[in-house]
Amino acid sequence: GAGVSQSPRYKVAKRGQDVALRCDPISGHVSLFWYQQALGQGPEFLTYFQNEAQLDKSGLPSDRFFAERPEGSVSTLKIQRTQQEDSAVYLCASSLLRGYEQYFGPGTRLTVT
Amino acid sequence: AQKITQTQPGMFVQEKEAVTLDCTYDTSDPSYGLFWYKQPSSGEMIFLIYQGSYDQQNATEGRYSLNFQKARKSANLVISASQLGDSAMYFCAMREGRAGGTSYGKLTFGQGTILTVHP
Repeated sequence: GAGVSQSPRYKVAKRGQDVALRCDPISGHVSLFWYQQALGQGPEFLTYFQNEAQLDKSGLPSDRFFAERPEGSVSTLKIQRTQQEDSAVYLCASSLLRGYEQYFGPGTRLTVT
Repeated sequence: AQKITQTQPGMFVQEKEAVTLDCTYDTSDPSYGLFWYKQPSSGEMIFLIYQGSYDQQNATEGRYSLNFQKARKSANLVISASQLGDSAMYFCAMREGRAGGTSYGKLTFGQGTILTVHP
């Protein structure tokens, strides 16, 4: 079956612009995670959804970051007023249930100029 | 304190040889899970293997095995019969907490080890 997909794959934004990153999880997967991966580093947790409920947003670095999953499937990560330090790869992962192995999408590489 | 430590920034191995990638972890939670992921240059994270803290046997998946030493808090990945396609970044990750907790499920990753397989 289809894996996790993310769009766009690459995004260049000027400092101060708003961006929206989309994640389509594997069909039927209840859990959805967002991670941020800086160059040469391991991914870092941002937020977690179980169906449409955002149960953990402890990793969001500032109130400029907002995520939603209104119908329990597709999720959008929005970054307002982008800053240079937001440049990173944003990875989305889904799993059948919490605690099971997570399947990752290809990521969105965000570059803020 | 680092929860997941991968001390080898880079490793080299000859094709068809075995290689061990090190991972140590730190947690006070008796219930946790350990994962290994492979990240090729394309960027996608590929799940390789999982070990639960209560599992008695070391996990194996094809050419991958996890050398789980609970008392030492280590979870090294062993790749047997290396192939050129194994060249990639490898991440060790940990899931903490009990099922039902709000933080359950999220992964904490190490810094990664770049593996290069020579022909």
